[in-house]
Formats: sequence, C-alpha cells, structure tokens
Amino acid sequence: DAGVIQSPRHEVTEMGQEVTLRCKPISGHNSLFWYRQTMMRGLELLIYFNNNVPIDDSGMPEDRFSAKMPNASFSTLKIQPSEPRDSAVYFCASAKPGASRLGNTIYFGEGSWLTVV
Amino acid sequence: DQQVKQNSPSLSVQEGRISILNCDYTNSMFDYFLWYKKYPAEGPTFLISISSIKDKNEDGRFTVFLNKSAKHLSLHIVPSQPGDSAVYFCAARPPGNTDKLIFGTGTRLQVFP
Repeated sequence: DAGVIQSPRHEVTEMGQEVTLRCKPISGHNSLFWYRQTMMRGLELLIYFNNNVPIDDSGMPEDRFSAKMPNASFSTLKIQPSEPRDSAVYFCASAKPGASRLGNTIYFGEGSWLTVV
Repeated sequence: DQQVKQNSPSLSVQEGRISILNCDYTNSMFDYFLWYKKYPAEGPTFLISISSIKDKNEDGRFTVFLNKSAKHLSLHIVPSQPGDSAVYFCAARPPGNTDKLIFGTGTRLQVFP
C-alpha cells in the first residue's frame, strides 16, 4: 500500500519566492496534519484537517503560511513570501478516525526539505 | 512553550546494553503518549504507545514507563542494537476530541558496537 506521498522532496528557493508543498494522504484516512521539524522546536504541528476541514491552525506561524485541502486525497502548504527562517523539513501525515485514541498512530510522509536562501 | 520536553538531545550506548530515553510533559490532561522513531531522510514511524491509565507497556525489546505524578515517561530499549540508532520523538495527545499529537524535540540515539 502506498504511504503518505509528499512532493517535492527537496526545494531550494530564494527569499521572497512562493513555495508550494504537496501531500497525498493514505487512502481512507480522514485526518491530515502538516508538521515542521526544526532543531530547536522538534516536530511542530502547523495545521490539522479532519474530513478536509481545517480543525486547528493555531500552529501556523504567520499569515505567510496557508494550507488547503480541496479533497480527501490532496493537500497543499503554501509559503508566500518565503524567508530563510522557513528552512526546515515539512512533514505531512495522515490518520484514520480516532487513531491516537486507539494508540494506533498517524503515518508520516518522507518529508519535504525546504531551503530558503 | 514546549508542552512535551526531551531534555537530552543525544545519547550514546554500547550494543547489548540498555538505552533509556526520557520525556517530560506539562499538561496532566494528556491521555495518550507515543514514541516515534526517525531515521535520516525518512519520516517518523510509530514505535510504541501507552494510555494514561497504565504505567507500563512492553513490546519486545521496547518498554515505555509512565509516571503521572512526575509527568514523566521513559522508553527503555533492551538490548540495544546498532539498528536502533535513530532520532526518537516523544508525543502526547491533548485532551478532547482530537487526533493531533504534540511532539518533543527528539533525542538522537547512537548505538555503537
């Protein structure tokens, strides 16, 4: 079975440019998460969708960040304009309903490595 | 503020010995705790979990201990193997009807021969 698929795997962009990261969750999973990994803060939750609806976006750093989930099989995270401090690994993850309550788990993609110069 | 803290950024252990990774949390209402393992250039993968109503959960070489009064949990790996070398993230589920997890900063474990 295909896991969570993210693209691009690596992106290097110049400061001020728009960056779009893409995610295809596991089929049948109705929760989708965007996390960002940095050395200082570990894995930070940016936004969480349930049934394509944003439930919690309190982790989105500022207005430069936006996320959409137009359907159950696709989500994007956009940064506009990008800044060097946005350089990090961005992970998308998905889960079945009640996954963490069951001690089941959420499943992560391989990440998108973003470098803003 | 970090609600889930892993104060040791790294740990080095000899093969065959015990690895103990620690995690502290601030919210006594967290009801589920999980450990994830991450290899370089890969996404984190689930390792083991524990409900807040338990104090121990064991799965093969991996055991998680929960001390609610101290708001502390630990992951024990016995015996440690070189393939266990990875970054380990502690995570907690907030109360309420949510599937989101709050992660710590991770501990890099290196198991040497």
